Amino acid sequence: AQTVTQSQPEMSVQEAETVTLSCTYDTSESDYYLFWYKQPPSRQMILVIRQEAYKQQNATENRFSVNFQKAAKSFSLKISDSQLGDAAMYFCAYRGGETSGSRLTFGEGTQLTVNP
Amino acid sequence: DTEVTQTPKHLVMGMTNKKSLKCEQHMGHRAMYWYKQKAKKPPELMFVYSYEKLSINESVPSRFSPECPNSSLLNLHLHALQPEDSALYLCASSETPDSLYEQYFGPGTRLTVT
Repeated sequence: AQTVTQSQPEMSVQEAETVTLSCTYDTSESDYYLFWYKQPPSRQMILVIRQEAYKQQNATENRFSVNFQKAAKSFSLKISDSQLGDAAMYFCAYRGGETSGSRLTFGEGTQLTVNP
Repeated sequence: DTEVTQTPKHLVMGMTNKKSLKCEQHMGHRAMYWYKQKAKKPPELMFVYSYEKLSINESVPSRFSPECPNSSLLNLHLHALQPEDSALYLCASSETPDSLYEQYFGPGTRLTVT
């Protein structure tokens, strides 16, 4: 079975600084997709960024970028120029092929605090 | 429009009540999901509907009964719940069940069972 590990239960960053959230995963599949979701106190899960495993290029979305290391099974999220609105729980998630079905496997989450 | 709506936002029910949660999407998505989320934990998958048919039931107790009346609507019928069922219930949808399509989540229903 696939597993996703987020080793940092909590992180904090100063406004305008850069922070990196870690995520590792374990899978025997070769074709899969990785996601970072953000869940602010309003509770809505919002997709931040996605990465296709077959793509070598790291995904970027404005201030958010990933460092995808397929061989190491690592998928970290970098937030640049952190803003107060970035404060949220961040979940790393894996979605694979046939062995996963439609399941989205989540990590335990990292609570990010942004200090003014 | 990438919106999934859920009603009600909050629900308090007794252990003998029957209630329903509702989820709606108008994105033409053909896969819909129910998740249960406890505080400070990741969502746990409960059910998956694929093309309006139940495709995954993650061994959820029968006091939770899903229903997909049409491709836009997903209901979760609740009956004889236990206090440990108190949680945030999230609905999500994706274009199809295929893994390449991300899931869009609704804002959730906060359920309290007394």
